[in-house]
Amino acid sequence: NAGVTQTPKFQVLKTGQSMTLQCAQDMNHEYMSWYRQDPGMGLRLIHYSVGAGITDQGEVPNGYNVSRSTTEDFPLRLLSAAPSQTSVYFCASSYGQGREQFFGPGTRLTVL
Amino acid sequence: AQKVTQAQTEISVVEKEDVTLDCVYETRDTTYYLFWYKQPPSGELVFLIRRNSFDEQNEISGRYSWNFQKSTSSFNFTITASQVVDSAVYFCALTSTDSWGKLQFGAGTQVVVTP
Repeated sequence: NAGVTQTPKFQVLKTGQSMTLQCAQDMNHEYMSWYRQDPGMGLRLIHYSVGAGITDQGEVPNGYNVSRSTTEDFPLRLLSAAPSQTSVYFCASSYGQGREQFFGPGTRLTVL
Repeated sequence: AQKVTQAQTEISVVEKEDVTLDCVYETRDTTYYLFWYKQPPSGELVFLIRRNSFDEQNEISGRYSWNFQKSTSSFNFTITASQVVDSAVYFCALTSTDSWGKLQFGAGTQVVVTP
């Protein structure tokens, strides 16, 4: 099992550009989530999904879109990048309610 | 609303000392789960433990132990005889019946173990 994979590992964008962060898991997990990690703030939930075709907003959803067409993939789209979106982004997955989440290695994004 | 507070920003210890990390949580749900994760300097997030709200037994795993007290809404983590490899950021997190799929993290505690 590869677990949770994320691409790219590093990305630099200019303000206003768009891009998609990829996330995939091969554990047949129902739940998938996107978090951002900023210094001193822990991890904050951006969007999450409890199954294919079902997504919902987390704590900081503005500026991001998600979709879940398959169980395995959960891409995160930045519509128009802003410097405030400079962060480390983690994707996670879990079996279901109350179960531990497994995290990908993260994507370090810089918006200039 | 749910909340997780880790009041200690950074703890520095000398190797072989014990270190206790505090975690205080808030939730209105009676069914919830608490977690601890470790983030070493390499950046990945490593799951350490999961505890449900109906199980208040303390748990020990090697040099790690956890103390769950519902009466004080705390889920503290102790590293006994710390080692340099324990240097990391440790996060406490919470999910509950009102928010399955959402994991609420504390701000994290940086542990620095020096030889």
